[in-house]
Amino acid sequence: QQPVQSPQAVILREGEDAVINCSSSKALYSVHWYRQKHGEAPVFLMILLKGGEQKGHEKISASFNEKKQQSSLYLTASQLSYSGTYFCGTEAGAQKLVFGQGTRLTINP
Amino acid sequence: EAGVTQFPSHSVIEKGQTVTLRCDPISGHDNLYWYRRVMGKEIKFLLHFVKESKQDESGMPNNRFLAERTGGTYSTLKVQPAELEDSGVYFCASSQGRVWRNEQFFGPGTRLTVL
Repeated sequence: QQPVQSPQAVILREGEDAVINCSSSKALYSVHWYRQKHGEAPVFLMILLKGGEQKGHEKISASFNEKKQQSSLYLTASQLSYSGTYFCGTEAGAQKLVFGQGTRLTINP
Repeated sequence: EAGVTQFPSHSVIEKGQTVTLRCDPISGHDNLYWYRRVMGKEIKFLLHFVKESKQDESGMPNNRFLAERTGGTYSTLKVQPAELEDSGVYFCASSQGRVWRNEQFFGPGTRLTVL
């Protein structure tokens, strides 16, 4: 079952904050966040594991509510380089990531 | 350390033709995945190799798609015969260790256009 991301698109001015949400109908072992810029490979941002462990970039902040099967990615003081499409991938015990439909983030000067 | 590489970067073919995509994972990564992204939609799982064995091919659309991983190194994904709906960007990714707790390294993708 594909996780649902919200919002589908966000437009910000440089320096503003954004929150991207990812919600699953299944109990999750982990949530993975990736960012893809147009025409490039998706790039790993963070993994949030069941039990509270996190792995990823220090400047990226995210949360994982295991009971609600939800994760949120927090982008603070956004920079132009943050633009791209953000994907959450969920792992529910099937040994594979199922990705959401993506959230397109545009940062304007 | 070299990243995941894919070849070709672009392919334009006619409906009914055959195309073979290649992926070279990061050296030493046992896990290799194929994904497809159709414009504006999700990154969709196709299949997962562990070394040379297919761990999960539940995402393969139909029997026109054939994936192989020779000797647990590079992998190929053949589409034969190609249909219009096969168009999209095909990504390969590799990782080491268990799926649920390790990052996947993606290649730049192959953009396939079927006319």
